[in-house]
Amino acid sequence: EVQLVESGGGLVQPGGSLRVSCVASGFIFSSYDMDWVRLLPEKGLVWVSRITGDGRTYYADSVKGRFTISRDNAKNTMYLQMNSLRAEDTAVYYCVRNDFGTIHWWGQGTLVTVSS
Amino acid sequence: DVVMTQSPLSLPVTLGQPASISCRSSQSLVHSDGNTYLNWFQQRPGQSPRRLIYKVSNRDSGVPDRFSGSGSGTDFTLKISRVEAEDVGVYYCMQGTHWLWTFGQGTKVEIK
Repeated sequence: EVQLVESGGGLVQPGGSLRVSCVASGFIFSSYDMDWVRLLPEKGLVWVSRITGDGRTYYADSVKGRFTISRDNAKNTMYLQMNSLRAEDTAVYYCVRNDFGTIHWWGQGTLVTVSS
Repeated sequence: DVVMTQSPLSLPVTLGQPASISCRSSQSLVHSDGNTYLNWFQQRPGQSPRRLIYKVSNRDSGVPDRFSGSGSGTDFTLKISRVEAEDVGVYYCMQGTHWLWTFGQGTKVEIK
């Protein structure tokens, strides 16, 4: 069965950095594009970033230049390095498998809180 | 970016009564491969989102048949034929046709 397990969330001050991780199992990780989607308080779900199986990366304008997505196919793991964090980045971050135009599998989410 | 607009944003419903959520996109969601990648997700309190419907009208395994999706082009609808207590939560439409996925604002379904 497909499993996606996020970790690394927590409380960070504005301007700080945090790296969240997603360990995948139950499928051939390197064969799939993977994405991060976040649930913003009172604003709903928003797509954040994508990494293709061969490492091409894409970002939402709101995080471009501050966030970096990466993956280690040998470890079945995806990462999101978040720098210059702002209060508006406070959200639950979900790791999802990209099934071409849809999301069938979601992780449990990891909460990132940006506050002084 | 494709803007997804849901209505209503809040939907109080009586148990056993039907409910309907509209989702409109700012551009056609018909992909060059002929498919329309319009999805519906349910997010119950404290849980991760769960896909209910994909490609407009295909219901996921395990999703009760009281849920149905319809529509085409830029205009889509999720219907619940008879609302049950377990249907409380926030419902999102999402387009996956255009490379930058976008979600609707969410519709909060609650019991009157």
